[in-house]
Amino acid sequence: QKEVEQDPGPLSVPEGAIVSLNCTYSNSAFQYFMWYRQYSRKGPELLMYTYSSGNKEDGRFTAQVDKSSKYISLFIRDSQPSDSATYLCAMGGGGSEKLVFGKGTKLTVNP
Amino acid sequence: EAQVTQNPRYLITVTGKKLTVTCSQNMNHEYMSWYRQDPGLGLRQIYYSMNVEVTDKGDVPEGYKVSRKEKRNFPLILESPSPNQTSLYFCASSLSVGPGIRFFGPGTRLTVL
Repeated sequence: QKEVEQDPGPLSVPEGAIVSLNCTYSNSAFQYFMWYRQYSRKGPELLMYTYSSGNKEDGRFTAQVDKSSKYISLFIRDSQPSDSATYLCAMGGGGSEKLVFGKGTKLTVNP
Repeated sequence: EAQVTQNPRYLITVTGKKLTVTCSQNMNHEYMSWYRQDPGLGLRQIYYSMNVEVTDKGDVPEGYKVSRKEKRNFPLILESPSPNQTSLYFCASSLSVGPGIRFFGPGTRLTVL
C-alpha cells in the first residue's frame, strides 16, 4: 500500500462548481497536512496547511482532515478558471523530516 | 521579496557532460532540498540538507551530488548525466527541519540527450 494515494484525475468542472479533492494515507504517524497548488510550468505553492483533525477555512478553500479514516480533502467553493492547476497533497510527521507528496490531481475549471 | 531561485530554468545537454543547477534562498532557512518531478511519479526527494555542511540522501539520490557550503545556497550536481535524468527539478527550503512548509523554486527543466 502506498503511503499517500491521490486520484490524478483529470477533473473538469464548470465555473462556479464546488470541487472536492482527496488523498488517503496509510501512515498513522502523519501529523502535518498540506495542500499545494501548481500551475503549469511553475513550482508548487502552499495553499493550506493544518496540524490537526477537523476543518480549516481560508476564503473559498476548506481543508479537512479525518485522522481516524486517514483521509484528507480540499474543497473549493465557487470555482474559477484561475483555479485550474494541479493540486498536490503533502503530509509528514512521526519523527521523520520527510514530506510525502501525492502525485497530484489536475483540475480544469471551464468558463 | 522572499524567494527561492534556480538557474538555469531550462537546459538541454548531452550524456556525460557534467552540469550544476544552482539554488539560492533569501529567507535564512535552515532546511533545503531537491526534488524531481516526473509524469505519473509525482515529486520525489533527491537530497536534503538540514543545515550547512549537513546533507543526506532522499528517495532517489543515484547519479546526483549536492553540497551546502553556505546557508543560502544548495547546488545540485550531475557529474555524468544520463537520459533517465531528464526531468523537472525543484529546489525547496524550509525555516526549520521537519515536515514543515516547503517553499519551492520555479523549477529547472533538464533534457539529457
